[in-house]
Amino acid sequence: DAKTTQPTSMDCAEGRAANLPCNHSTISGNEYVYWYRQIHSQGPQYIIHGLKNNETNEMASLIITEDRKSSTLILPHATLRDTAVYYCIVRVASDSNYQLIWGAGTKLIIKP
Amino acid sequence: DSGVTQTPKHLITATGQRVTLRCSPRSGDLSVYWYQQSLDQGLQFLIQYYNGEERAKGNILERFSAQQFPDLHSELNLSSLELGDSALYFCASSPEGVGANVLTFGAGSRLTVL
Repeated sequence: DAKTTQPTSMDCAEGRAANLPCNHSTISGNEYVYWYRQIHSQGPQYIIHGLKNNETNEMASLIITEDRKSSTLILPHATLRDTAVYYCIVRVASDSNYQLIWGAGTKLIIKP
Repeated sequence: DSGVTQTPKHLITATGQRVTLRCSPRSGDLSVYWYQQSLDQGLQFLIQYYNGEERAKGNILERFSAQQFPDLHSELNLSSLELGDSALYFCASSPEGVGANVLTFGAGSRLTVL
């Protein structure tokens, strides 16, 4: 079962910042949070990941709360091409390996 | 183009049949993952191979099997197909076997079972 909870859907105006929340209240100390997105049945695309500290790359920023029970993905200036399903995923340890447990994601719609 | 190549892109077949999906990982990547995505569902992890060996198994049915060849391409074999096997099948690759979960996905193979 997925270890994350996300809103089913969200809207955001083009040009504004899109803030996508994720709850992962049962996360363990060594489990990373990953974000991927999937644009209309295409293959999912990696966005960003983090453990404790906030992270930023050319696509997005990831803000993780101090207790690590939730995080927010920020797309600073959303465009129409950012319309996609966004998956917040916790990487769990499993039999000397790690697995990404995918949930249902948030459908983000960017409106003109 | 992500660098991960999947063929065929679309496949239509009948119940009871067998199909093979093929995946070529991104150059230099040793791990290959297979995922199934049914209509409007999230991704279900099926199986992972690393450098030719099975590394992890997810919710893969006994009717399904996979392998990774010495040139690192992988094939997913689906047999005794049922209507419920209709789905998008994604292959992904990553450089390492353990701890690396920055996956690069292919465009998927859409299987329709009639």
